[in-house]
Amino acid sequence: AQSVSQHNHHVILSEAASLELGCNYSYGGTVNLFWYVQYPGQHLQLLLKYFSGDPLVKGIKGFEAEFIKSKFSFNLRKPSVQWSDTAEYFCAVNALDSSYKLIFGSGTRLLVRP
Amino acid sequence: DTEVTQTPKHLVMGMTNKKSLKCEQHMGHRAMYWYKQKAKKPPELMFVYSYEKLSINESVPSRFSPECPNSSLLNLHLHALQPEDSALYLCASSQDTGPGTDTQYFGPGTRLTVL
Repeated sequence: AQSVSQHNHHVILSEAASLELGCNYSYGGTVNLFWYVQYPGQHLQLLLKYFSGDPLVKGIKGFEAEFIKSKFSFNLRKPSVQWSDTAEYFCAVNALDSSYKLIFGSGTRLLVRP
Repeated sequence: DTEVTQTPKHLVMGMTNKKSLKCEQHMGHRAMYWYKQKAKKPPELMFVYSYEKLSINESVPSRFSPECPNSSLLNLHLHALQPEDSALYLCASSQDTGPGTDTQYFGPGTRLTVL
C-alpha cells in the first residue's frame, strides 16, 4: 500500500532561518507530488506540485521542493522563513494508477518565532 | 479562480438528526471529493465523484450518504451520526482525474460537532 512519511512533526524556527521539511513516499511507480499548507483557521492551499520535468519545483510564497526519485523524496524548502509561514504543512502523493486517491502525510506543524 | 465553497461553516447536530453538507465549485471541474479531517491529523478520503458518478467509496459507513446533483454541486447527507464523527469535513475538486489534471483544490470545510 502507498504511504507518505513526514518525519518532522513539529518544527520551531526563528524568522529568517532556513526551512527544510522532509517527505518520503513508498510507491515504485509514477507519482504526482504535492505540498499543501493549512494556515491557522484557514483551508488547505496548494503550495506547489510536481508532475514531470524539472525535479526542482517552485511554488508560491518563496517555497520550493525537489523531487529525488532515487530517494523517493520530495522535500520542501524555503531559504528564509517569516512569522506568517506558521502553519501546518502536508505532503501528498497521487499514484498514477490510482488517480483519484491523494495520500497525505501526517503533517508538520511549523512555528516561526518573530 | 480556484475557489471551492462549502456550507455551513459550522454544524452542531444530535445523533438522531438529519443534516446535509453542501459543496460548490464553478471551475468546470469534473471530479469532486469528500474528506474527513480529525484534529491534528491529515485529511482522509471518503468519497470521489467523477463526471457525477460515484467512483470511490472508502468503506464509509452508510450514515454518510453522498450525492452529486450536477457537475458543480456535491452534497453529503448525514443521518444518525455518532460523536466520533465530529470532525472537519472537506470538499475538494479537480479538473479531472488523469495525470496532470488531478490537482485537488480544497474548500474551507464544515466543522461538524455531533452531540
